[in-house]
This record gives sequence, C-alpha cells and structure tokens, in this order.
Amino acid sequence: AQSVTQLGSHVSVSEGALVLLRCNYSSSVPPYLFWYVQYPNQGLQLLLKYTTGATLVKGINGFEAEFKKSETSFHLTKPSAHMSDAAEYFCAVSDPPSGTYKYIFGTGTRLKVLA
Amino acid sequence: KAGVTQTPRYLIKTRGQQVTLSCSPISGHRSVSWYQQTPGQGLQFLFEYFSETQRNKGNFPGRFSGRQFSNSRSEMNVSTLELGDSALYLCASSAGAPETQYFGPGTRLLVL
Repeated sequence: AQSVTQLGSHVSVSEGALVLLRCNYSSSVPPYLFWYVQYPNQGLQLLLKYTTGATLVKGINGFEAEFKKSETSFHLTKPSAHMSDAAEYFCAVSDPPSGTYKYIFGTGTRLKVLA
Repeated sequence: KAGVTQTPRYLIKTRGQQVTLSCSPISGHRSVSWYQQTPGQGLQFLFEYFSETQRNKGNFPGRFSGRQFSNSRSEMNVSTLELGDSALYLCASSAGAPETQYFGPGTRLLVL
C-alpha cells in the first residue's frame, strides 16, 4: 500500500535560514505528489505539486520541491525562512495508476521559525 | 471563484447524538472528498464522491456516511457520536481525480 513518511514532526529554523522539510513515499510507480500548508484553525492550502515533467517544482511563498525518483523523495525547501512560514506542512501522494481517488497524507511537520 | 465552503464551522454535540456536516465545492468541481484530522491519527481519508456516486471509501465504521447532490454539494453524517469522533473534518473538491484537491476551512466537531 502507498505510504508517505515525513521525517521530523517538529522542525525549528532561525529567520533567514534554509527550510528543509523531508518527505519520502513508497510506490513502485511514481505517484502525483503534493505539499500543503495548514495554519492554525484553517484548512489546507496547496503549496506545490508534481505530476509529470520537470522534477523541480516551484510553489507559492518561495517554496520549491524536487522529485527524486531514485530516492523516492519529494523534499520541500525554502532558501530563507520568514516568521510567517510557521505552520504545519503536509506531504501527500495521489496514486493515479491504481485508480484510487484519494490522497495519502504524511503525519505532518510543524515548522517553528525563531527570531 | 469562490473556494470550498463548509458549514457549520464549529459544532458541539453529546455522545449518542448524530451530526450532519455540509460542504459546497468550488464551482465546476464534481469530486468531493472528506477527511478527518485529529492530533493522534493525523489526516485520514473518509470517502470521495463524484457525480453523486461514492467512488472510494476509507477505513471508518458505518456510522460515518456521506452523500452528494446533483449540484455537487456534499454532506457527511456521523451517527451515534463517540468522544473519539471529536476532530476537524475537512472537505476537499477537485475537478476530477487525480487533479489537485482544494480544501475548505473545516468543521471542528467537539463531542462531549
């Protein structure tokens, strides 16, 4: 069965430092991959997605992620953290070849940005 | 375009009661999915509807049910509420699988 692993349930970075949030998936066939952000008491907002084509995907708010098939990874990065980036981040996969119509979410990484 | 809307935003119920949550998808979207989010279990898929048909279902007991109307609006119902049903219930709509899902703000349910 498809699964998603997010390493580190809590990550702290200093303002201006690199943000790196890790996501690995398990699938024999490259799935569609997504990163969402959730602010307190809100729903999930799409940051970026990978379906096909270019493996480096740019999203909103300066975030980007690179799909690495050999490593089954889709890590999220941002060169310089801002206080407003403090939130919970979720990696998700959708597995179109299997015909399912649901996302499998990782357990989330709560990002703290230190002043 | 208006986003996904969910009503009510907050709800307090007691054990044994039932509850109905509503979701209005983005205009033109025909797929609606429901998720339960809790601190302990994270985000778990409940079910997905497309053109009034349930296409996929997660591993939840039969107390959790849903439906979709011809205008794509969806409702989910939880009967015989348990304390463990306290959660944020999120609805997401998409133009069709496996398209991007867009989430609503959620309904926070507290069961006392």
